Amino acid sequence: SQTIHQWPATLVQPVGSPLSLECTVEGTSNPNLYWYRQAAGRGLQLLFYSVGIGQISSEVPQNLSASRPQDRQFILSSKKLLLSDSGFYLCAWTSPRSGRRYNEQFFGPGTRLTVL
Amino acid sequence: ILNVEQSPQSLHVQEGDSTNFTCSFPSSNFYALHWYRWETAKSPEALFVMTLNGDEKKKGRISATLNTKEGYSYLYIKGSQPEDSATYLCAFKTNAGKSTFGDGTTLTVKP
Repeated sequence: SQTIHQWPATLVQPVGSPLSLECTVEGTSNPNLYWYRQAAGRGLQLLFYSVGIGQISSEVPQNLSASRPQDRQFILSSKKLLLSDSGFYLCAWTSPRSGRRYNEQFFGPGTRLTVL
Repeated sequence: ILNVEQSPQSLHVQEGDSTNFTCSFPSSNFYALHWYRWETAKSPEALFVMTLNGDEKKKGRISATLNTKEGYSYLYIKGSQPEDSATYLCAFKTNAGKSTFGDGTTLTVKP
């Protein structure tokens, strides 16, 4: 069965500090991977998605970046955090388009980031 | 930017009440419409994936309908229970494979 992991679960960082959040998926190959953020009182905003190693699409201009160094690893980074980066970050995966479960999206446990 | 709207933003009902929410989405480039339930301290979990105009899906006391021509979906909960308390998210998926989420409807069911 497939599982998705995220860490850390919670993080408190000062403004201007760097960030690295990691997401890994097990039990599937060549997944589509996504980073979402939920700001307070809002829904999920898509930040980045990736259809393969080294292939990253950015949805929203910001001071965040994403990388996919391995097939089942997706990393969200920042060189200098802003107060507005606070929120709940979710990683998700779907089967590649050719997969029969293409329409199902599975979410990780999330990371609560507080920037002070 | 795709506009996916959900209403109401929040809802408080008594145990046993039936309720429904709305998700509005663009009527062009439709591929799929998802409903998710997001309980506190958990990850969002898929309730329904709907792809055809006129689709009706049901899971226990929860059901959903889809109208792709006019761009809306309804989620119904019959006889709400406290364990139904959660935020219900809809997500509109285009042919390109990206999903745009609404802001959700937060349901609180009082015993």
